[in-house]
Amino acid sequence: GAGVSQSPSNKVTEKGKDVELRCDPISGHTALYWYRQSLGQGLEFLIYFQGNSAPDKSGLPSDRFSAERTGGSVSTLTIQRTQQEDSAVYLCASSLDQGLSGYTFGSGTRLTVV
Amino acid sequence: DAKTTQPNSMESNEEEPVHLPCNHSTISGTDYIHWYRQLPSQGPEYVIHGLTSNVNNRMASLAIAEDRKSSTLILHRATLRDAAVYYCILRDFEGYQKVTFGTGTKLQVIP
Repeated sequence: GAGVSQSPSNKVTEKGKDVELRCDPISGHTALYWYRQSLGQGLEFLIYFQGNSAPDKSGLPSDRFSAERTGGSVSTLTIQRTQQEDSAVYLCASSLDQGLSGYTFGSGTRLTVV
Repeated sequence: DAKTTQPNSMESNEEEPVHLPCNHSTISGTDYIHWYRQLPSQGPEYVIHGLTSNVNNRMASLAIAEDRKSSTLILHRATLRDAAVYYCILRDFEGYQKVTFGTGTKLQVIP
């Protein structure tokens, strides 16, 4: 597609449930990033995928968070046993290389845990 | 991880120029300066980037200090659609670097 696509755009879930967030990057972009943005805050790095290299998972806040990138394209961020503090907008970005020419962000998934 | 500092908020009148400052006193020789902006309810979008020389594109201009410890994003004529949060970040061209976006500058444009 022309841009980075994220789904769903909004997700309301009950505390303790698992959720999956999907990111479809721009075709041909080798790098993919997940960020989290809480209300009124900056972007918090979560995880980075680059080609076939091992992902940088250093930003994942707990072991309830995990992410996969299948076939070097679509990525899924999974949050297990969701907590209220997980409520935020989850943003995905992709770039052609390591981001020197700029990242393209999706519109995000707004997650609300009730 | 080189840091940037920006004012929390700024105001501008519509159709006037806006100068958004960013300090990056610990910048390294291999860091590019990137600017993004985030409109309400959207993901950030790329605006401009540069290394040493001033840069211009259709969206904005980037003025980089001679010592590279600060930069200024210039919007030549602010419109209401420019109201957004503007982020200044550093990207090392020598390799992968985990990039942190701070809280940016919230620009309010007054009609």
